[in-house]
Amino acid sequence: ETGVTQTPRHLVMGMTNKKSLKCEQHLGHNAMYWYKQSAKKPLELMFVYSLEERVENNSVPSRFSPECPNSSHLFLHLHTLQPEDSALYLCASSHPPNGELFFGEGSRLTVL
Amino acid sequence: AQSVTQLGSHVSVSEGALVLLRCNYSSSVPPYLFWYVQYPNQGLQLLLKYTTGATLVKGINGFEAEFKKSETSFHLTKPSAHMSDAAEYFCAVSDPSGTYKYIFGTGTRLKVLA
Repeated sequence: ETGVTQTPRHLVMGMTNKKSLKCEQHLGHNAMYWYKQSAKKPLELMFVYSLEERVENNSVPSRFSPECPNSSHLFLHLHTLQPEDSALYLCASSHPPNGELFFGEGSRLTVL
Repeated sequence: AQSVTQLGSHVSVSEGALVLLRCNYSSSVPPYLFWYVQYPNQGLQLLLKYTTGATLVKGINGFEAEFKKSETSFHLTKPSAHMSDAAEYFCAVSDPSGTYKYIFGTGTRLKVLA
């Protein structure tokens, strides 16, 4: 198993759909992150969980809902998204907080 | 507040030439510094990092970077570019005091010419 695994790799959804992105880390890290990567924009931190508690929530619209059931799994639940939400969503983990980030390969989301 | 500036959103070099990607940071405390590489349709992969100690840091794929506190810089270099180095490169900083914030630069896309 690779360090950080994201599924699905590609997702196309309509604005009224509900879908989820999944992230799993096999590194024993205690912090997990969701980042959004859009063309020509810096990487945007969305959420951080440490030991399953949310520690950062960077003014993300409520149509994005994270869930961290345990220290190895992180979800991003999506509903009523907008076309501007189309982007690459990257999951990462780290241990301790200021060790390097380990990224998954990303989930490419297209909202029609 | 911390910030990262990467000069040059696009850099082109000939195969075999020196690669120099620039990164300057702003931080009220000495930060931890990172360089990541991203190939098309993939996530970011760590090239190298500086936390403490020796200011010249060697990473994977022949890359290295030097932390220069007086210049607030952490430029990435490679003596001889290879076609496989074509990718996007991101500089990042984090606050050693224990927050979970990693600040990323906007990235530099490296093109290697045959």
